[in-house]
Formats: sequence, C-alpha cells, structure tokens
Amino acid sequence: KAGVTQTPRYLIKTRGQQVTLSCSPISGHRSVSWYQQTPGQGLQFLFEYFSETQRNKGNFPGRFSGRQFSNSRSEMNVSTLELGDSALYLCASGEAGNTEAFFGQGTRLTVV
Amino acid sequence: GEDVEQSLFLSVREGDSSVINCTYTDSSSTYLYWYKQEPGAGLQLLTYIFSNMDMKQDQRLTVLLNKKDKHLSLRIADTQTGDSAIYFCAESKPAYGNNRLAFGKGNQVVVIP
Repeated sequence: KAGVTQTPRYLIKTRGQQVTLSCSPISGHRSVSWYQQTPGQGLQFLFEYFSETQRNKGNFPGRFSGRQFSNSRSEMNVSTLELGDSALYLCASGEAGNTEAFFGQGTRLTVV
Repeated sequence: GEDVEQSLFLSVREGDSSVINCTYTDSSSTYLYWYKQEPGAGLQLLTYIFSNMDMKQDQRLTVLLNKKDKHLSLRIADTQTGDSAIYFCAESKPAYGNNRLAFGKGNQVVVIP
C-alpha cells in the first residue's frame, strides 16, 4: 500500500495570504488528523476528520480549517497567514477503530 | 504537548543499549506510543502499548510502562547509527478518541560510531 501523501512538500507564503495543504491517506483509511510541529510548541493537534465530518478539534484559531472529501482525502486551509504559522504540518491517517496512526512526510510552510 | 514530558538529549555508542524516558499525566490514557522522526521526515510509528500492559517487546525495541508512576520508557538494544533521530512519546485519551494524540517534546538520540 502507498503511504500517506502530503502535497506540496515545501511552501513559501507571504503574511496575509492564505494556503491550502493536501493529504491523501492510506487506501482504506477513513480517519485523517492534522498536526502542527514547531520548535517552540512541539507537535500540536489541529483537527481530525472521519467520513467527511470533523470529529475532534484542537485549540487553534478559526483561521485554521479543514475538510475531508468522500474519497477520504483531506485539505487544511490557513487564512490570513502570520509569521508564527511557519511550521511543519503533518497529516496522519488511520483505520476506523484502530490504534495506529501513520504519518506523512509533512508540508514545510514558511511565512515571510 | 504539555501533558507528556521527555528529556531532551541522549548520546549513545553504537552497539550499546539506549533508554528514552517519558512521563505522562493523564491516568485515563488508553494507548501510549513511540514515534521516530529523522531529519526532514515525518513521524514513523515504532511501537505502542495498551495501558493495561506492563511491557511489550518488538525485536530490538522494549517498551516498559509503569502506570503507578505514569512513566513510559523505550529501550533500543544494539543501537545502530540509523537509530539517530528524535523520538517522541505520545498518548491517546478515550475522551478524545484514539486518533488525537498528545506528544512530548521529543528526545534527540545521537549514536556515536
């Protein structure tokens, strides 16, 4: 099986812009979670989608949003980018009721 | 990551054993995980343990769980240079569902040839 695929791998945006990141889960996985990784805050949970519904949400402002499509692919969107949004954004997929979460390589977002 | 604490750095000689420690605060955690992150890469799931177990062994990896002290450790036997990475422990909580993980800050392991 192919692993979790995140695109793009690297992205540079300007403050105030908006960005969309994509995640394709492992085939058959219906759960997709997103995490933000920064040197200061470490790995923080953003949100989780399951069967096109947001099931869990972390403590991030409303500028961070996401969605999941019927094929389980997920996108996350960050509007009005701030310098502090520079981070590695990681996506993880899992099977329903399974304990294992498998991560993609991440998208490195730099806001200038 | 506030609920899970890890020490920051470990240096170990190739062939020796390395032990990475982690403490967590939520006694209701259901599963505890160890992930490995190499430079520029995502997270690789190494192993996990259910909270009603004390120990789990998987090839060179041994996980020990002390529920009373809320302490989790990962022992890597015969450490290799390819084991150089950052290791994260993580917990899942039933209130949040198993797909929401709380991570520690990570422990960097450097293997000296």
